[in-house]
Amino acid sequence: AQKITQTQPGMFVQEKEAVTLDCTYDTSDQSYGLFWYKQPSSGEMIFLIYQGSYDEQNATEGRYSLNFQKARKSANLVISASQLGDSAMYFCAMRYSGGGADGLTFGKGTHLIIQP
Amino acid sequence: DAGVIQSPRHEVTEMGQEVTLRCKPISGHDYLFWYRQTMMRGLELLIYFNNNVPIDDSGMPEDRFSAKMPNASFSTLKIQPSEPRDSAVYFCASSVHPTNEQYFGPGTRLTVT
Repeated sequence: AQKITQTQPGMFVQEKEAVTLDCTYDTSDQSYGLFWYKQPSSGEMIFLIYQGSYDEQNATEGRYSLNFQKARKSANLVISASQLGDSAMYFCAMRYSGGGADGLTFGKGTHLIIQP
Repeated sequence: DAGVIQSPRHEVTEMGQEVTLRCKPISGHDYLFWYRQTMMRGLELLIYFNNNVPIDDSGMPEDRFSAKMPNASFSTLKIQPSEPRDSAVYFCASSVHPTNEQYFGPGTRLTVT
């Protein structure tokens, strides 16, 4: 079974600092995808970034980058130059292929609070 | 472009009543997913459809839950009869392909008293 682990229930970070949110995963599949979503207090789920298991380069989207270490089964999200609006819950998720199972398995999330 | 649309946004009902949640995916997206979010269990996949056909419903908790997708632009999740433990936020999401990102609707917050 696939599993996503986010070991940081909560984090406090000073504005403008870089943030790293940890995510490790467990799967026996060779083909899979890793996603990060942001959930602000308003409740919507916002897609941030995607990394495929065969992608050789780390994914980047604006201030977001994904530090993908396949051998260690980790997919940490890095937010550069944090802003007050980055305060939210952040979820790491994995999609695995096989047997038609294309839904996402989510971690428990990290509650990030950016302090001025 | 319109995103995923869900209705109602909030639903309060009494135990034993039937509840129907609705979802309109993004046009052109062939995959539709229903998730449930609770404090205790986090985000869980309930069921997903490909081209209107249910593919995996192993996450549906009980026979009280059922989902349909009669056409490419509409899906429903029904709970009958509802119970207090069904209280949660229910999200619908859609994607072009399973390898692509899923776009989530705003969710329906269900409270069963």
